[in-house]
Amino acid sequence: NAGVMQNPRHLVRRRGQEARLRCSPMKGHSHVYWYRQLPEEGLKFMVYLQKENIIDESGMPKERFSAEFPKEGPSILRIQQVVRGDSAAYFCASSFGRAAYGYTFGSGTRLTVV
Amino acid sequence: SQQGEEDPQALSIQEGENATMNCSYKTSINNLQWYRQNSGRGLVHLILIRSNEREKHSGRLRVTLDTSKKSSSLLITASRAADTASYFCAATGANSKLTFGKGITLSVRP
Repeated sequence: NAGVMQNPRHLVRRRGQEARLRCSPMKGHSHVYWYRQLPEEGLKFMVYLQKENIIDESGMPKERFSAEFPKEGPSILRIQQVVRGDSAAYFCASSFGRAAYGYTFGSGTRLTVV
Repeated sequence: SQQGEEDPQALSIQEGENATMNCSYKTSINNLQWYRQNSGRGLVHLILIRSNEREKHSGRLRVTLDTSKKSSSLLITASRAADTASYFCAATGANSKLTFGKGITLSVRP
């Protein structure tokens, strides 16, 4: 069991480009969560997805950000027209069910916007 | 918000000493979890305590939960240099999402 896999580990984008972050949950996990961590801060919730459905996107900016978790393949966090303030570490976590169990986190994608 | 807030923000101790970290939250929770993050790495789940539990042990870790005070503590006994990391508490409410505090930076001096 490879755990939660995120790629790429590091991503550099110029302002205005698009960033695509991928997350493959643990085998058997159908719940995926995306978090953003700014330097020297804790993790901020962005979006919670279950296969093909967005359950809670209350932490995700309304513009430029979108997330999906298709029936087949990894979950994708997409940031369009990136700005310097998007530079952060983006972590994905997965769980077997809702709330009751610990989450397994991936190693994160560090996005740098230049 | 069920935000976890850790205290202190930074802690420096000698190897072999115990480290105690505290966390407070604001609303009712289903469970509270503690995570460790080494510099530049992902989060590692340490321990989960449910709202109907008061104390839990895992190896050198001991976590307590006081729902009346909306607080939790994580105790690491006989600390080692390898315990140097940031520690986060995260509360889970009925909406399933984890709400993290800003974390505690623990430094264990050899």
